[in-house]
Amino acid sequence: EAGVAQSPRYKIIEKRQSVAFWCNPISGHATLYWYQQILGQGPKLLIQFQNNGVVDDSQLPKDRFSAERLKGVDSTLKIQPAKLEDSAVYLCASSLWTSGIYNEQFFGPGTRLTVL
Amino acid sequence: AQKVTQAQTEISVVEKEDVTLDCVYETRDTTYYLFWYKQPPSGELVFLIRRNSFDEQNEISGRYSWNFQKSTSSFNFTITASQVVDSAVYFCALDSNYQLIWGAGTKLIIKP
Repeated sequence: EAGVAQSPRYKIIEKRQSVAFWCNPISGHATLYWYQQILGQGPKLLIQFQNNGVVDDSQLPKDRFSAERLKGVDSTLKIQPAKLEDSAVYLCASSLWTSGIYNEQFFGPGTRLTVL
Repeated sequence: AQKVTQAQTEISVVEKEDVTLDCVYETRDTTYYLFWYKQPPSGELVFLIRRNSFDEQNEISGRYSWNFQKSTSSFNFTITASQVVDSAVYFCALDSNYQLIWGAGTKLIIKP
């Protein structure tokens, strides 16, 4: 079974530029998560999708971050414009959705973003 | 409020020593899940174990063992006879509503 795919693996941009990350979850996984992991910290949830709907985006800085999952499969996370403090690893995870049953999250390799 | 505390920022031991990573959690929920993940230098999060709140049995998997104690809200992780390949950042996490709350991680350095 293929795992969660993310691209690119690394990205270096100047501040105020835009950047987009792509995630393809495990086939059949209805739930998709984007996390931000700053060096030396645990991951922080940015947004959670259930199919193509947003379940939780309370920690997404909506003035500069946006995410979509239009067809309920793959997803894109965008930052526009980027700031220095956005330098982090952006992790995508996916899980099945079965009512009443716990389904664990599977993580992709992450995209390491450096903002100069 | 839900919270996970990993008080040990960094631990350094010599190969073959045993090492325990501490994890203390806070939650008001009666049903929850606890996790340990390993994050090697490559960056990918590797799932190690999941434990639900109704199962307090300790678990052993090879050199790894986990001690879950609800009375002290702790879920500690022990590596026996550590190896250099165990060097990584280890995260403890809590899930009570399909969202993971993460500790800050413990960086484990195993010296040859």
